[in-house]
Amino acid sequence: QVQVVQSGAEVKKPGASVKVSCKASGFTFTDYYMHWVRQAPGQGLEWMGWINLNSGGTRYEPRFQGRVTMSRDTSISTSYMELTSLRSDDTAVYYCAREALSGWAGMDVWGQGTTVTVSS
Amino acid sequence: QSVLTQPPSASGTPGQRVTISCSGSSSNIGSNYVYWYQKLPGTAPKLLIARNNQRPSGVPDRFSASKSGTSASLAISGLRSEDEADYYCAAWDDSLTGLYVFGTGTKVTVL
Repeated sequence: QVQVVQSGAEVKKPGASVKVSCKASGFTFTDYYMHWVRQAPGQGLEWMGWINLNSGGTRYEPRFQGRVTMSRDTSISTSYMELTSLRSDDTAVYYCAREALSGWAGMDVWGQGTTVTVSS
Repeated sequence: QSVLTQPPSASGTPGQRVTISCSGSSSNIGSNYVYWYQKLPGTAPKLLIARNNQRPSGVPDRFSASKSGTSASLAISGLRSEDEADYYCAAWDDSLTGLYVFGTGTKVTVL
């Protein structure tokens, strides 16, 4: 079936980096964008950026520019989001979600979420 | 900081109709499609509405949406207890090419 499965929870110290993976199955990987969205405790949804899974092109929300890198490995249908220089306010649940490259269909398949805790 | 503004809360009794507004600008809602997502605690968001007013397969027709100018709205008719959730509007934003924005979110409570 169509799904994206994310890697497990992470606990990191301030200043460290985290890399979250998102493995896709059941659909043609390169026909989609992969968005990354996070939700901090008690806060709303925050869009972080997207990667074009076909071309590898990326676009990041400016406030994350310089700290976030999105990548993909088409051979294993997996997308990655790496966030560096972690701070306590990066503690959140991180989601990946696909959106078709054409058709403006919206983020229709989401990963289950990865909890990242930043604490000393 | 979200550029799409929603009321923080809305409520209704079972069977009632609840409407949630989403206010944006010419660079986002005014020139792009609007999407709506439902977020239940502890679960991933779910796409409710795409392209302003289109329900993906499996979304009940109790959910409907519209867009006018730089604003959009989501309506839930025949409110049910399982509709108690957070709802977010979203849109692409042309102010900086390729950006996407979520609304501030609305908590719907079923009384």
